[in-house]
Amino acid sequence: SQQGEEDPQALSIQEGENATMNCSYKTSINNLQWYRQNSGRGLVHLILIRSNEREKHSGRLRVTLDTSKKSSSLLITASRAADTASYFCATRSGGSNYKLTFGKGTLLTVNP
Amino acid sequence: NAGVTQTPKFQVLKTGQSMTLQCAQDMNHNSMYWYRQDPGMGLRLIYYSASEGTTDKGEVPNGYNVSRLNKREFSLRLESAAPSQTSVYFCASSTRGLAEQETQYFGPGTRLLVL
Repeated sequence: SQQGEEDPQALSIQEGENATMNCSYKTSINNLQWYRQNSGRGLVHLILIRSNEREKHSGRLRVTLDTSKKSSSLLITASRAADTASYFCATRSGGSNYKLTFGKGTLLTVNP
Repeated sequence: NAGVTQTPKFQVLKTGQSMTLQCAQDMNHNSMYWYRQDPGMGLRLIYYSASEGTTDKGEVPNGYNVSRLNKREFSLRLESAAPSQTSVYFCASSTRGLAEQETQYFGPGTRLLVL
């Protein structure tokens, strides 16, 4: 069963605007990661936030984590057409567990 | 440094045929994974191998078998393909295990069509 659920399922914006995607999950986590998938390609890791962190930045990406609400958000600032892709959150639970559980993804379209 | 490679890129099978999807990584990673991706379903874990010599079932293992041939290679076998196994299959590997902060590196995928 899916641990993370992204919202919205699809998002269309204009170049230069900011894009915000949300992820909710059900059980306690060790860390939460965001991945990008361009059409027809494999997933690429973007950013990881640990359960004891609240916010993290990487270039134009900003991720927040609220463990009390079991939710995370990914903000892409000043979006570009090249940001058009599907974005997935993935959670890793604690323990001797190497597995990531992926959500269903948000399809972001950035119009030039 | 090729990262994670998968072969074949595309395959068409008839129901009942068997095939093996190959995956190799050159990053000296301990852990490797097989996922399937279906429209609207995201990625679902089929099998994973935490380290060389070990394999474990994921969320959707039925109809599949795996072999961790060595540290580099992790293959996925469909013994008797069914139309429900039509999907895109991704192999991934990760840097560390056991309570470490892992990220996964993905291959380009294998598109499988079962008629």
